[in-house]
Amino acid sequence: KQEVTQIPAALSVPEGENLVLNCSFTDSAIYNLQWFRQDPGKGLTSLLLIQSSQREQTSGRLNASLDKSSGRSTLYIAASQPGDSATYLCAVFTGGGNKLTFGTGTQLKVEL
Amino acid sequence: ETGVTQTPRHLVMGMTNKKSLKCEQHLGHNAMYWYKQSAKKPLELMFVYSLEERVENNSVPSRFSPECPNSSHLFLHLHTLQPEDSALYLCASSQDSVAGHYGYTFGSGTRLTVV
Repeated sequence: KQEVTQIPAALSVPEGENLVLNCSFTDSAIYNLQWFRQDPGKGLTSLLLIQSSQREQTSGRLNASLDKSSGRSTLYIAASQPGDSATYLCAVFTGGGNKLTFGTGTQLKVEL
Repeated sequence: ETGVTQTPRHLVMGMTNKKSLKCEQHLGHNAMYWYKQSAKKPLELMFVYSLEERVENNSVPSRFSPECPNSSHLFLHLHTLQPEDSALYLCASSQDSVAGHYGYTFGSGTRLTVV
């Protein structure tokens, strides 16, 4: 059974800092990994999708890497801003009945 | 707007009520999903529809009844719910083909409170 762990569970940083969020998964037989952002009480916004054949994806200040063999992904946020405050979720897709397994998320707070 | 629209945004219902949640996508996707998000828990997959056929039912109680009349619409019919069913219910869609899977798009969710 696939398990996804995100560390840390919560993070508070001053504005402008670069930061890394971690995601690990137990079964490396994945099709892809997706990072999402969730604001309080809202739905999920997709940030980056990395296919299993890819090593990284970039969008603006965000960079996500994938090391499938070791079961790890990182989300790098450059020059953090208060508007980045949200919960960040990673999810791995393992196919077979459309299985998307989520981690419990990292709650990020960027302070002025 | 992500292209997946959920209504209503908020719902308060008594344990004897019957209500329905609606999800609509205009992305041309061929699969739709219902997820439940409770406090301090990972998202839980409830139902999967692929090409309007239900392919997954993750041991969800029968008081939750899904309906997918076409590839653009998904409903979740609710009846005789319990207070522990209070949660954020999220709808998602994806486009799946033999060429691969291209990620999920989520709606904004329906915040359900059972009193």
